Amino acid sequence: SQTIHQWPATLVQPVGSPLSLECTVEGTSNPNLYWYRQAAGRGLQLLFYSIGIDQISSEVPQNLSASRPQDRQFILSSKKLLLSDSGFYLCAWRRDRGSTEAFFGQGTRLTVV
Amino acid sequence: AQSVTQPDIHITVSEGASLELRCNYSYGATPYLFWYVQSPGQGLQLLLKYFSGDTLVQGIKGFEAEFKRSQSSFNLRKPSVHWSDAAEYFCAVGAFNDMRFGAGTRLTVKP
Repeated sequence: SQTIHQWPATLVQPVGSPLSLECTVEGTSNPNLYWYRQAAGRGLQLLFYSIGIDQISSEVPQNLSASRPQDRQFILSSKKLLLSDSGFYLCAWRRDRGSTEAFFGQGTRLTVV
Repeated sequence: AQSVTQPDIHITVSEGASLELRCNYSYGATPYLFWYVQSPGQGLQLLLKYFSGDTLVQGIKGFEAEFKRSQSSFNLRKPSVHWSDAAEYFCAVGAFNDMRFGAGTRLTVKP
């Protein structure tokens, strides 16, 4: 069966520090991978999605970047965090394009202080 | 581009009462529609999905949803709400490569 791992679960970082959140999927190959951010009371905002290694699409220009160095690994990064980067970050994967549902990790609560 | 609107930010219902959460979508082709539930501090769990065929779909935990193309709606229903249903609910539309979510509806259940 397929599983998705996301870590860390919680993170407190100072303003201006770097960020690296990692997501890995097991039990499938060539998944579509996604990073979402959920700010308080604002639903899920799609940040990045990837259909293959080194193929990243950015939805919102901002202080974050994503990379996919391996087929089942998706990394969310920032060189210098801002206070506005605080939120709940969710990684997700889909088996195929279009029709199938997304499966979510347990999320990372990021607080920038 | 596709989009999803959930008009109700917060809904309160009494335990045992019926529930309907609204969802309207905008998409140029046949939509793939989903409802997810999120407990506090957790990831999202799929309740049900619609791809084609029967417009009334059944999901887990006693939920159902009805796709109405003429109204561009995909409302979620449950005939009798349980206290454990208190959570946040998200409607989503899945396009070719991406998936877009509504802002969510927070459900509070009164005893």
